[in-house]
Amino acid sequence: GAGVSQSPSNKVTEKGKDVELRCDPISGHTALYWYRQSLGQGLEFLIYFQGNSAPDKSGLPSDRFSAERTGGSVSTLTIQRTQQEDSAVYLCASSLPVPATTDTQYFGPGTRLTVL
Amino acid sequence: KQEVTQIPAALSVPEGENLVLNCSFTDSAIYNLQWFRQDPGKGLTSLLLIQSSQREQTSGRLNASLDKSSGRSTLYIAASQPGDSATYLCAPGGSWGKLQFGAGTQVVVTP
Repeated sequence: GAGVSQSPSNKVTEKGKDVELRCDPISGHTALYWYRQSLGQGLEFLIYFQGNSAPDKSGLPSDRFSAERTGGSVSTLTIQRTQQEDSAVYLCASSLPVPATTDTQYFGPGTRLTVL
Repeated sequence: KQEVTQIPAALSVPEGENLVLNCSFTDSAIYNLQWFRQDPGKGLTSLLLIQSSQREQTSGRLNASLDKSSGRSTLYIAASQPGDSATYLCAPGGSWGKLQFGAGTQVVVTP
């Protein structure tokens, strides 16, 4: 079946511009996560959505970052006024409903963001 | 805050040798632990998930152990092949499934 998809696969933008990154989770997966993988920083958690519950935004690095999930499916991560330090690969993952310790997270291929 | 350390950072072995990848974490209050592999320019592929109540999990040539009380997990890969070349990431899972990742072990298996 279809896995997690993300678009665009690559995005180059100028400092100060806004960008939107999209994630389509696996059908039926109600839990959705965004992570960021930066050079020298490893993978870090950004935000988590579970069904219609309020998202866990504890990993967002600043108020320039926001995310929404429409209809419990597609999610968009928005970065406003991008900075060079935002350059990274942004990964999306989905899983069956949590808490359920058996749930594997399935990752998309990521969006590589480069801020010039 | 959960701190995850993976040792070694890089490993190069000839084909056929067994691989041992180590992961340690500071907060033992985890729900599970996942091992992933990441190929260059690609996303993450889940290899094994061990529940916090389990001691080990096996899939084919892969075996992962978990000692939750001491904050350690080990991934064993038997009879390595060139196709096993990748970066391997350890990720303890906390509440609501949030994963905390180690920096990874970069593995190269030479023919």
